[in-house]
Amino acid sequence: EPEVTQTPSHQVTQMGQEVILRCVPISNHLYFYWYRQILGQKVEFLVSFYNNEISEKSEIFDDQFSVERPDGSNFTLKIRSTKLEDSAMYFCASSEMGVRQPQHFGDGTRLSIL
Amino acid sequence: SQQGEEDPQALSIQEGENATMNCSYKTSINNLQWYRQNSGRGLVHLILIRSNEREKHSGRLRVTLDTSKKSSSLLITASRAADTASYFCATDAAGTASKLTFGTGTRLQVTL
Repeated sequence: EPEVTQTPSHQVTQMGQEVILRCVPISNHLYFYWYRQILGQKVEFLVSFYNNEISEKSEIFDDQFSVERPDGSNFTLKIRSTKLEDSAMYFCASSEMGVRQPQHFGDGTRLSIL
Repeated sequence: SQQGEEDPQALSIQEGENATMNCSYKTSINNLQWYRQNSGRGLVHLILIRSNEREKHSGRLRVTLDTSKKSSSLLITASRAADTASYFCATDAAGTASKLTFGTGTRLQVTL
């Protein structure tokens, strides 16, 4: 069964550094998402992406965050200048259409900011 | 309270028993979904129920939705040790096209 893959599985970065998290969504899916989950807390929506542009974003997704689909297969989340509070699991997801269909999640990237 | 809160926060049962988890939400929704998360892994979609549906079944799962009470329940029948995981409800509010809001989750422990 096709799946969403995320790399790296664990990223350790110094505060203030830029970090790029990578995702390969399922190939025939049209909607892509990023979520984060701080340890022990609930999964929080960051951004959705459709037709090469942001569809919706949350208050968390400020100017420090950006997303890109640089080619036909990858979907990336960039954090420009990381803060300690950015430490979390970051999950990528994709769906065939929008939110009215199930979303398929990758296993996440654990981001640790030192 | 926030959109999507599950109760109980944690549930421990023995194999073979049924597990019921509840979810409450605050705004009007189009759909409600349930997801499962094993420790250290991503979320796995279990079932989606539309706002005009009241009940849905999938294998050992039964989901109900009461839009008048803004609540949903997930019943897992004849639980197995492999059902041990966290379970989250997720809603998409009316007027949104692509944003899912997750609840706080129920940690289910099924012991032999």
